[in-house]
Amino acid sequence: DTAVSQTPKYLVTQMGNDKSIKCEQNLGHDTMYWYKQDSKKFLKIMFSYNNKELIINETVPNRFSPKSPDKAHLNLHINSLELGDSAVYFCASSPTRGGGSEQFFGPGTRLTVL
Amino acid sequence: AQSVAQPEDQVNVAEGNPLTVKCTYSVSGNPYLFWYVQYPNRGLQFLLKYITGDNLVKGSYGFEAEFNKSQTSFHLKKPSALVSDSALYFCAVRDGMEYGNKLVFGAGTILRVKS
Repeated sequence: DTAVSQTPKYLVTQMGNDKSIKCEQNLGHDTMYWYKQDSKKFLKIMFSYNNKELIINETVPNRFSPKSPDKAHLNLHINSLELGDSAVYFCASSPTRGGGSEQFFGPGTRLTVL
Repeated sequence: AQSVAQPEDQVNVAEGNPLTVKCTYSVSGNPYLFWYVQYPNRGLQFLLKYITGDNLVKGSYGFEAEFNKSQTSFHLKKPSALVSDSALYFCAVRDGMEYGNKLVFGAGTILRVKS
């Protein structure tokens, strides 16, 4: 029944490793997003896909690569993890990419890089 | 580029009292404004939005917000606070001039309601 789900909920890993976070939405929405929330709770968009097409790509290191196999899924792969990547990553979706659409957020994935 | 300011890091109110969480914004075109709430270790939940029309917007859990174009503000209000309203509140804005552009969030305001 979960509208936007993310796996895993917690991810603890060593510097230099590669990891992936998966996101799925069952709302039938066209647009999906990845956000990063830092330790001060500041929330910033990283990527957005609309019907599998990348539409927003903020200034994010190339080590971060989103992939959208279909419009219900948006995964985030991170290469060569660094200490500064430790944060909570939220996936979200909205019915359209239009200005008035509210976004529905997943529960978040807490990534800790040691 | 659009921006949002939430001038208060934390707001403290007594249960039963009215609450206000402040938000001001800056956009080039017409603003699309949103409020979200985040409970500890949870994702953000949508509360309400202003797109056009009536300046007073009503949302979930008894919250409302007033859009004030001249003051470029969109303050969140509730007539009577509950302890369960204690959470982190985010204001967000999207510039209506650009279709599909990003939603920009404020830094968040912690609301503490004491019994």
